[in-house]
Amino acid sequence: GNSVTQMEGPVTLSEEAFLTINCTYTATGYPSLFWYVQYPGEGLQLLLKATKADDKGSNKGFEATYRKETTSFHLEKGSVQVSDSAVYFCALTRPNSGGSNYKLTFGKGTLLTVNP
Amino acid sequence: GAGVSQSPRYKVAKRGQDVALRCDPISGHVSLFWYQQALGQGPEFLTYFQNEAQLDKSGLPSDRFFAERPEGSVSTLKIQRTQQEDSAVYLCASSSGQPNTEAFFGQGTRLTVV
Repeated sequence: GNSVTQMEGPVTLSEEAFLTINCTYTATGYPSLFWYVQYPGEGLQLLLKATKADDKGSNKGFEATYRKETTSFHLEKGSVQVSDSAVYFCALTRPNSGGSNYKLTFGKGTLLTVNP
Repeated sequence: GAGVSQSPRYKVAKRGQDVALRCDPISGHVSLFWYQQALGQGPEFLTYFQNEAQLDKSGLPSDRFFAERPEGSVSTLKIQRTQQEDSAVYLCASSSGQPNTEAFFGQGTRLTVV
């Protein structure tokens, strides 16, 4: 079955540090890959996505590249801010036969704390 | 509404009590999902609706869990005879159903069984 393994953390960084959160997946076929973020007291929000190999998703300074050869989708940001403190979830989905979005399989999440 | 709305936000139930959790998806969204998120874990899939049809309930952990979406809009997740292991955050998400479109999540209902 499908599975996602991500760096569990917690990760603590100083402001302006470089961030990498590793994510690898197991899935048959060609999944779509996502990073979701959960800020304190808020619901899950889509951060970025990539739907095919070599695609790069980017948003708010975060980037992740869909690497089929290494089955990875690592999240990176060059300079983190205090406001980036949150829990980050890597996820994948396989479209159903009609191509519509289907159920997401999530990793366990990585808590990021950025100190001033 | 502007987003996915879930109610109640918090629910404390005594063991053995039945509970009902409500989800109002984004208007017009065809697809609706329920997930269970245990403390310190990622969300896990429970069930999926396309309009009023429940197309996948493979993630429901036991026959005490039941979900419905009778008119293809609001959905209710019901848990009968709650147990302590049911304590979790229950998340609802909806999407338009178009290929590769985003699923929007509600803030969840935190259920605590005492």
